[in-house]
Amino acid sequence: AQSVTQLGSHVSVSEGALVLLRCNYSSSVPPYLFWYVQYPNQGLQLLLKYTTGATLVKGINGFEAEFKKSETSFHLTKPSAHMSDAAEYFCAVSRAGNNRKLIWGLGTSLAVNP
Amino acid sequence: ETGVTQTPRHLVMGMTNKKSLKCEQHLGHNAMYWYKQSAKKPLELMFVYSLEERVENNSVPSRFSPECPNSSHLFLHLHTLQPEDSALYLCASSQDRRETEAFFGQGTRLTVV
Repeated sequence: AQSVTQLGSHVSVSEGALVLLRCNYSSSVPPYLFWYVQYPNQGLQLLLKYTTGATLVKGINGFEAEFKKSETSFHLTKPSAHMSDAAEYFCAVSRAGNNRKLIWGLGTSLAVNP
Repeated sequence: ETGVTQTPRHLVMGMTNKKSLKCEQHLGHNAMYWYKQSAKKPLELMFVYSLEERVENNSVPSRFSPECPNSSHLFLHLHTLQPEDSALYLCASSQDRRETEAFFGQGTRLTVV
């Protein structure tokens, strides 16, 4: 079975500071990993995904995440937070291959302070 | 209009009411999804339609009734809901049931009173 754990339901950073949102997964098979963002009163938008190949994945809006198999982690980072980054962030995992069902984390709410 | 559009954006209904949520996608996709997003819970996949046929129903109570008249439209008919059904209901679409490549609508915030 697969599962996702997002450490920290709320994270607060200052504008310009590093953003680090943590995601650990459990999977008995090679995973595909995803980060989604949900801005207030909006639907979910894919930020980035890891399927195969390079373990450092770059996404939209300056975010990136690194797949670390040995740590079963897929943490999301951004070097410098912007006020517009304030949103809910969701990590998700699916099985590699044809089974494309997503298993979702509970989400982390990111606040950016001026 | 592009993407996935949901109406209404907000809905308040009594437990004895009947209402419907609407979703329309302009992406040419052939699969559509309903999700329930509640606080403190993972996103729950409710229904999946592929080529207008329901292919997945994840133990959703019968007070939720989906309808997919064509590949561009998806409805969720609601009746005799409970307060615990209050949530954000998200619609999404994708090509070929690839949930991992789905595009989401903005959601309908439902409050059951």
